Amino acid sequence: SQTIHQWPATLVQPVGSPLSLECTVEGTSNPNLYWYRQAAGRGLQLLFYSVGIGQISSEVPQNLSASRPQDRQFILSSKKLLLSDSGFYLCAWSRTGTAGNTIYFGEGSWLTVV
Amino acid sequence: QKEVEQNSGPLSVPEGAIASLNCTYSDRGSQSFFWYRQYSGKSPELIMFIYSNGDKEDGRFTAQLNKASQYVSLLIRDSQPSDSATYLCAVKGVSGTYKYIFGTGTRLKVLA
Repeated sequence: SQTIHQWPATLVQPVGSPLSLECTVEGTSNPNLYWYRQAAGRGLQLLFYSVGIGQISSEVPQNLSASRPQDRQFILSSKKLLLSDSGFYLCAWSRTGTAGNTIYFGEGSWLTVV
Repeated sequence: QKEVEQNSGPLSVPEGAIASLNCTYSDRGSQSFFWYRQYSGKSPELIMFIYSNGDKEDGRFTAQLNKASQYVSLLIRDSQPSDSATYLCAVKGVSGTYKYIFGTGTRLKVLA
């Protein structure tokens, strides 16, 4: 069966500090990978998605970046965090191919920028 | 116009009643529709998906899709206090696209 893990689960970072969130998927190959952010009381905002190694599509211009160094690894980074970067970050995966594929989420990472 | 719209609620229903959650979407080319449940502080978990017009039942849950009206709903029968959560509607576009667009969710409260 497929599993998705992301870490760290929670972190508190000062403004201007760097960020690295990591996500890995097990039990499947060549998944589509996603990073979403959910601000307090808000919906899920798609930040990045990737259909293959080194292929990243950005949905929102901001100070975040994503990388996919391996097939099942997805990393969200920032060089300098802003207060507005606080939120619940969710990594997700789906199978490639047909329209009916479901998207599955990791456990999430709570980021508080102080 | 938002791509996927849901009433934020809260929707309050008594225990044992039917809860009806609604979602509308703007892209007529959308092909797949999903309902997720999200407990406070947790990640969303899939309840069910639907991509054909009509009803799809899974236990106490029924998803209903009407593509002509661009409307998808979720019915929860025999609602339990444990069903209290935020329910997210998600829409995926035409085949070949990879984006899943989520609504802001409807908060459901089931009163014991």
